[in-house]
Amino acid sequence: KQEVTQIPAALSVPEGENLVLNCSFTDSAIYNLQWFRQDPGKGLTSLLLIQSSQREQTSGRLNASLDKSSGRSTLYIAASQPGDSATYLCAVGPGADGLTFGKGTHLIIQP
Amino acid sequence: DAGVIQSPRHEVTEMGQEVTLRCKPISGHNSLFWYRQTMMRGLELLIYFNNNVPIDDSGMPEDRFSAKMPNASFSTLKIQPSEPRDSAVYFCASSPREAGVWTGELFFGEGSRLTVL
Repeated sequence: KQEVTQIPAALSVPEGENLVLNCSFTDSAIYNLQWFRQDPGKGLTSLLLIQSSQREQTSGRLNASLDKSSGRSTLYIAASQPGDSATYLCAVGPGADGLTFGKGTHLIIQP
Repeated sequence: DAGVIQSPRHEVTEMGQEVTLRCKPISGHNSLFWYRQTMMRGLELLIYFNNNVPIDDSGMPEDRFSAKMPNASFSTLKIQPSEPRDSAVYFCASSPREAGVWTGELFFGEGSRLTVL
């Protein structure tokens, strides 16, 4: 069964820093990997979707990479801002049971 | 597009009562998912539908939980009878297919926060 782990569970950094969030998965036979953002009391917003044939995707200050062979993905946030504070979730799939989610990294950007 | 619409946003009920959560997926999306989120267990898939047909309900915790999708624009998740341990945020998500192939990209609703006293 696919398992997804996100490290660290929580992170607090000063505004302006570049940072990396990590995601690892146990079964490399994935179709794609998706990074989401969740604000308190809200639903999940899709940030980046990487197909299994791709190595990375970029959107603005966000860059996500995928290394299927090692079962890893990273989400790079450049020049962090207080508005980036949220929980970031990684999900892989689809498998027979849909997407499998990690438990997320709770990110706080200090003004 | 209005996105995935869920109702109610908040529900507080007493143990033993029936709870019905509702979801309207994005128009044209063929797949619909119900997830439950708790602090302890994170996001767990309960059930998903393809073209209104339930495909996998192995995540449904007990027979007290049931889900239906009578048409392409509406789904319900019902808990009867409800218990305090069912307290969680329940999310509905929909996903499109391209040329008949599921893209794997999910679009989530805002969730229904359920509290069972």
